[in-house]
Amino acid sequence: DADVTQTPRNRITKTGKRIMLECSQTKGHDRMYWYRQDPGLGLRLIYYSFDVKDINKGEISDGYSVSRQAQAKFSLSLESAIPNQTALYFCATSDRTGRFGYTFGSGTRLTVV
Amino acid sequence: GEDVEQSLFLSVREGDSSVINCTYTDSSSTYLYWYKQEPGAGLQLLTYIFSNMDMKQDQRLTVLLNKKDKHLSLRIADTQTGDSAIYFCAEWGSYIPTFGRGTSLIVHP
Repeated sequence: DADVTQTPRNRITKTGKRIMLECSQTKGHDRMYWYRQDPGLGLRLIYYSFDVKDINKGEISDGYSVSRQAQAKFSLSLESAIPNQTALYFCATSDRTGRFGYTFGSGTRLTVV
Repeated sequence: GEDVEQSLFLSVREGDSSVINCTYTDSSSTYLYWYKQEPGAGLQLLTYIFSNMDMKQDQRLTVLLNKKDKHLSLRIADTQTGDSAIYFCAEWGSYIPTFGRGTSLIVHP
């Protein structure tokens, strides 16, 4: 099993729909993150969580919300999807030291039509 | 905020060496990383270097760090077509890692 599992892998949804992307990890890390990747823009941080009770906005949090259901689970929601949220979404985890960097999931490719 | 810069594209011939460069601004960076992203996949940690090191070598990979100039490089010796990917530079300083936009390495036969 992968260390960081994201579901679904691909999703097509309509404008205005609510959608949830899920992430679970088996690394035992406290810290979890959601990023989106757009061609030429690299990775942009949406939300991050340092533990179950600590959730923080990243640089592009508008239009998104998150829930940290447990140490191992961190979900991302788009309350009312819009076409410019079409992107590749990555979940990642890390320990507190940073020594081993991030462990990324395989990504969710989301298309909003 | 802190910034990490890298060129967007690099094209090399198979068998040559590739050098991907990165500059960063956070003087408190503790770790600096290189990640590799193959098509359709997530990012995988390729290698990292601690900020008090100048160089790290791992098989075909050599990482050089010039802390004074805040410059990081990744050299891939004997580049193969399987090395074609996007390479991200990242730094971990005081809070949240910062990523560059990624360098697409294209390897020609």
